[in-house]
Amino acid sequence: NAGVTQTPKFQVLKTGQSMTLQCAQDMNHNSMYWYRQDPGMGLRLIYYSASEGTTDKGEVPNGYNVSRLNKREFSLRLESAAPSQTSVYFCASSARQYLGADTQYFGPGTRLTVL
Amino acid sequence: QQQVKQSPQSLIVQKGGISIINCAYENTAFDYFPWYQQFPGKGPALLIAIRPDVSEKKEGRFTISFNKSAKQFSLHIMDSQPGDSATYFCAPRGNAGNMLTFGGGTRLMVKP
Repeated sequence: NAGVTQTPKFQVLKTGQSMTLQCAQDMNHNSMYWYRQDPGMGLRLIYYSASEGTTDKGEVPNGYNVSRLNKREFSLRLESAAPSQTSVYFCASSARQYLGADTQYFGPGTRLTVL
Repeated sequence: QQQVKQSPQSLIVQKGGISIINCAYENTAFDYFPWYQQFPGKGPALLIAIRPDVSEKKEGRFTISFNKSAKQFSLHIMDSQPGDSATYFCAPRGNAGNMLTFGGGTRLMVKP
């Protein structure tokens, strides 16, 4: 099992350019998440998908859109990149939503720089 | 609004010593209290977690202490090793789905 995979690993964009970050999981998890990590601020939730066919905003959704393509794949799109979006982006997945000690499994991250 | 405050921001411990990281929260709806460990260049990974109906949980050298009335929980690493050098995050879970709220992180360095 590869777990959670993300592409690309690194990306440099110019202000105003667009791009899509790809995420896939092979653990048959229902829920998937996108976070950004900035120094001293921990990880902040951008968007999540509780189950296939649903998406919801997290703490910092402005400037981003997401697509839950199928149960395995969850993509994050930046329509018009801004320097404030320079960050490390992590995708995560978990098996179920509400009950029990549900662990989130994280991908290796995408390091994005917007010039 | 900072719901989760983690301290210290950085910590240096000698090999064999005890590392202690604290997390204070405001949201009384949090129902699950994990700690995640992150090595440079990697994604976070679950280290240990506790439910609010117990006050302490131990797994090997790692212990979580939970104080519900004070709205605090802490991570203790006994006999700290250089391989424990990483960034640690508390990330309590809220009642809206499986949402984790991450603290700002503690960078731990264990000196040989």
